[in-house]
Amino acid sequence: GQNIDQPTEMTATEGAIVQINCTYQTSGFNGLFWYQQHAGEAPTFLSYNVLDGLEEKGRFSSFLSRSKGYSYLLLKELQMKDSASYLCAAYSGSARQLTFGSGTQLTVLP
Amino acid sequence: ETGVTQTPRHLVMGMTNKKSLKCEQHLGHNAMYWYKQSAKKPLELMFVYSLEERVENNSVPSRFSPECPNSSHLFLHLHTLQPEDSALYLCASSQGHPPGNSPLHFGNGTRLTVT
Repeated sequence: GQNIDQPTEMTATEGAIVQINCTYQTSGFNGLFWYQQHAGEAPTFLSYNVLDGLEEKGRFSSFLSRSKGYSYLLLKELQMKDSASYLCAAYSGSARQLTFGSGTQLTVLP
Repeated sequence: ETGVTQTPRHLVMGMTNKKSLKCEQHLGHNAMYWYKQSAKKPLELMFVYSLEERVENNSVPSRFSPECPNSSHLFLHLHTLQPEDSALYLCASSQGHPPGNSPLHFGNGTRLTVT
């Protein structure tokens, strides 16, 4: 089966650091995607983790622990424009299936 | 520019109407997808086309009918919809299916309201 959990909402302050967690139970797990979706816009690709560890891309980093079925997206030096929904999605190679979480709505306050 | 264009952006239709959603991708990808996005729910995969052939149809009601005339265009034909079909319909494309290592590129979606 496939199951993804992430918090529904988070709030943080401009300039701060926020960590958005995602846990998954995915048979035949291959990798974990993160997407950003601003209101009324297309989801856009942020990262894809296949191996354990942290991958950094500028202010955004993504971490994966395959043994724990756990990932997080770390956003540093938060800006107002980072207010968006963040979707995690787990890919199963055996099921040939990409399963999305419900998304975490992040609000950045001044 | 996302590279994936959807029209219309908004659509209001009655339950007896027939309408179509259109998607066009300019990325040279060979797989295209329709997803349904409802508030507070995960993205639901509806249809997948790979190399213009339908490869997945996730138990979607027959009132939704996809069409993929070529690798750049995808349509979703709608008829006799129900109010619970109101949602954001997202089109996406990828290079290769399944999108194991290739991220999906999404359009901005069509906000559909069924009255």
